[in-house]
Amino acid sequence: SQQGEEDPQALSIQEGENATMNCSYKTSINNLQWYRQNSGRGLVHLILIRSNEREKHSGRLRVTLDTSKKSSSLLITASRAADTASYFCALRYSSASKIIFGSGTRLSIRP
Amino acid sequence: GAVVSQHPSRVICKSGTSVKIECRSLDFQATTMFWYRQFPKQSLMLMATSNEGSKATYEQGVEKDKFLINHASLTLSTLTVTSAHPEDSSFYICSATEGRNTEAFFGQGTRLTVV
Repeated sequence: SQQGEEDPQALSIQEGENATMNCSYKTSINNLQWYRQNSGRGLVHLILIRSNEREKHSGRLRVTLDTSKKSSSLLITASRAADTASYFCALRYSSASKIIFGSGTRLSIRP
Repeated sequence: GAVVSQHPSRVICKSGTSVKIECRSLDFQATTMFWYRQFPKQSLMLMATSNEGSKATYEQGVEKDKFLINHASLTLSTLTVTSAHPEDSSFYICSATEGRNTEAFFGQGTRLTVV
């Protein structure tokens, strides 16, 4: 399957702590995007990182990409209750014009 | 940022009827559009990829005669669920991109319920 694998599947942390989610894939990508989805709602774009980039930041978000290991991580610092959501990586494969989603991480922030 | 508008946001239909979902890119030319289906508490599964003016490429296991996709212009793609059954009830989301290495913009999704 081309689907990205994300871990952990679920993560529960205390408000204020950092949350890290990982995404691994099997074949070459052009870029990787991270999205957030609140229950039953649409997707919110967080960050796009291209295959020639190693790290990007946006506010409390930090994304890294290691193409040699075929993996990416999303770090959310100083978590807030509003960060409770599902997070997905989306892989834009080099070989075909498709975008495939990872399995997702359900993040819960405890007050 | 770029906007993709998906309509309707919710639809309830009777078994055996067909439902059309529209996906429009409002301020850019979408050379490629994607259609996804999402079941509760699961990830988004790619159904098909469509390029403007050509036939859609369906993923394995997706019936092209049941899920008709039309991408007639650079700003509009439609997904028609034909002869809908209760098992087709799901959240359908479209996405549009300008190029191969650009951000994908997503519609708000359509919650289809077949009764």
